[in-house]
Amino acid sequence: ETGVTQTPRHLVMGMTNKKSLKCEQHLGHNAMYWYKQSAKKPLELMFVYNFKEQTENNSVPSRFSPECPNSSHLFLHLHTLQPEDSALYLCASSQEDRKSNYEQYFGPGTRLTVT
Amino acid sequence: KNQVEQSPQSLIILEGKNCTLQCNYTVSPFSNLRWYKQDTGRGPVSLTIMTFSENTKSNGRYTATLDADTKQSSLHITASQLSDSASYICVVSDLDSSYKLIFGSGTRLLVRP
Repeated sequence: ETGVTQTPRHLVMGMTNKKSLKCEQHLGHNAMYWYKQSAKKPLELMFVYNFKEQTENNSVPSRFSPECPNSSHLFLHLHTLQPEDSALYLCASSQEDRKSNYEQYFGPGTRLTVT
Repeated sequence: KNQVEQSPQSLIILEGKNCTLQCNYTVSPFSNLRWYKQDTGRGPVSLTIMTFSENTKSNGRYTATLDADTKQSSLHITASQLSDSASYICVVSDLDSSYKLIFGSGTRLLVRP
């Protein structure tokens, strides 16, 4: 589990606040992902970065803004969120090559509550 | 539409008993199928991964099976332990997009003493 770390683990924020989630991977991978996990729903892919370039934005509202300064770090900047954005936000990383089966390794997540 | 459906939604068993979780998928073209274990408040952890040519794969007390013809998979847990209490998620990927995983909603397993 220490391969992918996320901070903070828990976050409570008001709808007018601005906050950021941080993810760091220590596995030498070249791709990183943000997922949203709501209660009783499948994980939803939000963003994908491959070699620091964003390759996927899965129709995510602009109040979520990702940033990938290098292949080891990924941020998710949050502003003017809605209560329905409350969820577990998971970061993952993978090595994009066939040998690795594109296996994704997940962090522990940030439990976000929007009040 | 690519989908992954799991059953049952939740399951309660006594410690020491066996159980089987089911997964049906409609993903095409199929690349591989994975089972993840997710403890409460934690990220998913991979248990097994199977490609088209593999019928079964074991990881300790966990055994996954795959029938690519009927597009079904199962995860069998033997001699359950309290620490097996978690959500088990079936995940399928297609050949067209290696990183786009299609997730099931998971089966929540509770093992009671």
